[in-house]
Amino acid sequence: DGGITQSPKYLFRKEGQNVTLSCEQNLNHDAMYWYRQDPGQGLRLIYYSQIVNDFQKGDIAEGYSVSREKKESFPLTVTSAQKNPTAFYLCASSLSSGGTTDTQYFGPGTRLTVL
Amino acid sequence: AQSVSQHNHHVILSEAASLELGCNYSYGGTVNLFWYVQYPGQHLQLLLKYFSGDPLVKGIKGFEAEFIKSKFSFNLRKPSVQWSDTAEYFCAVNPNNAGNMLTFGGGTRLMVKP
Repeated sequence: DGGITQSPKYLFRKEGQNVTLSCEQNLNHDAMYWYRQDPGQGLRLIYYSQIVNDFQKGDIAEGYSVSREKKESFPLTVTSAQKNPTAFYLCASSLSSGGTTDTQYFGPGTRLTVL
Repeated sequence: AQSVSQHNHHVILSEAASLELGCNYSYGGTVNLFWYVQYPGQHLQLLLKYFSGDPLVKGIKGFEAEFIKSKFSFNLRKPSVQWSDTAEYFCAVNPNNAGNMLTFGGGTRLMVKP
């Protein structure tokens, strides 16, 4: 079954703790993305990666970090520096990021709640 | 900075009514345009996309969208909605010089009453 998996589906964290969200894809896509979804604001890009061992900041990278050690994996860490981390986080991938005609495919998302 | 506006945040329709969801963007150059849909409890998925050619684009499940360059708009339409169309709809824009980066609108939540 090809696709993007994100785990866990729901995550709770205490203030001041870092937490890592998992994203795995078996589509053999080069590019991967992390978005944050808040009600009424659509999706906003946090980080993206075009190839292994390379990633770029998106529009709202402050308080987040990523790594891309393997093609199929792009974990996102929400650090304690992120002022408003409670949100729905979506991971996506596309065949490449250089070609503008590549569709992005999305995972099921992780809902993070900070208590 | 470019932006994408979806003016209708919530829309409620009865089954068989016609649907039009507005999408306007603020980028002056060549763009690629997308509509994504998020059904309750499901992944965000692509409804349709426009890259070039015929400005009237047909997508899945009977949806279509029309690109009007002079109005910077890419409105989504469906002649007759069904209860199963209840979902949140997102318009997204990709400028041709921005790699594969997407800018999303705020979304429109559609509820179709049976």
